[in-house]
Amino acid sequence: EPEVTQTPSHQVTQMGQEVILRCVPISNHLYFYWYRQILGQKVEFLVSFYNNEISEKSEIFDDQFSVERPDGSNFTLKIRSTKLEDSAMYFCASGSGSNQPQHFGDGTRLSIL
Amino acid sequence: AQSVTQLDSHVSVSEGTPVLLRCNYSSSYSPSLFWYVQHPNKGLQLLLKYTSAATLVKGINGFEAEFKKSETSFHLTKPSAHMSDAAEYFCVVSGGWGGYQKVTFGTGTKLQVIP
Repeated sequence: EPEVTQTPSHQVTQMGQEVILRCVPISNHLYFYWYRQILGQKVEFLVSFYNNEISEKSEIFDDQFSVERPDGSNFTLKIRSTKLEDSAMYFCASGSGSNQPQHFGDGTRLSIL
Repeated sequence: AQSVTQLDSHVSVSEGTPVLLRCNYSSSYSPSLFWYVQHPNKGLQLLLKYTSAATLVKGINGFEAEFKKSETSFHLTKPSAHMSDAAEYFCVVSGGWGGYQKVTFGTGTKLQVIP
């Protein structure tokens, strides 16, 4: 069964550095999402992406964050200048339709030092 | 506006007994509803979905959920708990139109299964 893959599985970065989290969605999916889960807390929606543009973003997704689909297969989340509070598990998801289930990757654990 | 409330943060059952994880929602749209499971240090796996077809939805691993519009509920059940069911469960509501979708996660319910 096709799956969403995320790399790296764990990223350790110094505060203030830029980080790029990578995702390869399921190949025929058109809707792409990023979520984060701070340790012990709920899963929080960050952003959804459709037709090469952001369709929805949360209050968390401020100017430090950006997403890109640089080619036909990758979907990336960039954090420009990381803060300690960005430490979390980041999940990528993709879906075949707007009301269809989202398929999640195993996540990237981001640790900011 | 859209919200999801998982009424129990922790549920503990004995192996072989029924499981009930409760979820209530509100949405301005005709929402789709999902249950996901997360095992420790793993991603989120879809258990089942409701997308305006049959109100009783069967999922994987013997789980099912019933969409009750009058009660705005989507509770997850399983007749007989297995040790491997111990995990965190998230109720999710998705509503909107076209490419615009608002997705809201519940706060999660940790299921403990006692041998």
